[in-house]
Amino acid sequence: DSGVTQTPKHLITATGQRVTLRCSPRSGDLSVYWYQQSLDQGLQFLIQYYNGEERAKGNILERFSAQQFPDLHSELNLSSLELGDSALYFCASSVDSVNTEAFFGQGTRLTVV
Amino acid sequence: AQKITQTQPGMFVQEKEAVTLDCTYDTSDPSYGLFWYKQPSSGEMIFLIYQGSYDQQNATEGRYSLNFQKARKSANLVISASQLGDSAMYFCAMRGGLNDYKLSFGAGTTVTVRA
Repeated sequence: DSGVTQTPKHLITATGQRVTLRCSPRSGDLSVYWYQQSLDQGLQFLIQYYNGEERAKGNILERFSAQQFPDLHSELNLSSLELGDSALYFCASSVDSVNTEAFFGQGTRLTVV
Repeated sequence: AQKITQTQPGMFVQEKEAVTLDCTYDTSDPSYGLFWYKQPSSGEMIFLIYQGSYDQQNATEGRYSLNFQKARKSANLVISASQLGDSAMYFCAMRGGLNDYKLSFGAGTTVTVRA
């Protein structure tokens, strides 16, 4: 158990819909990262939050947004979903100041039909 | 920009034998970190081992060791005494320079351990 909790584990939704993925980082970790794993793009970094503020942005679509709350949990919002958004979405957390480890949650498998 | 290359899409290894998974990287940052992760068929990403660019010795964690050749920009993972449970996808990843903590991943290598 990595200590990073993601919910839900599976999500099936229709095109055009909006979903929210949730992540609770390991105790003491201030940084949360979101990654997308798809068959054609591989594992890609989406966005990072550190202690409530956005720190880095990757290949995140404008239809996607994220936030980190005061209790440090994070949510990734995906809207106007398309078939191509079907993927495994991972959350990871780390202590950043000494980043020799980065632990991933179990992922949320999103299927858009 | 950072780039991670894993040239072996798939490998077969006999149980109890060692296997080496190749990883090369490209970066202009003097300070970086290299990670290996295991992804079994269940999908989770399991952290295996870390090597910092300034570490003098190769990292080891149990049956996993990292063969770090800085001049060649390679960070190969060696799994010794393979077990059936080692069958999985393995990803090499790199963290960038100072204040850049996101990971860039290679395409992965699928390892199948045969009994």
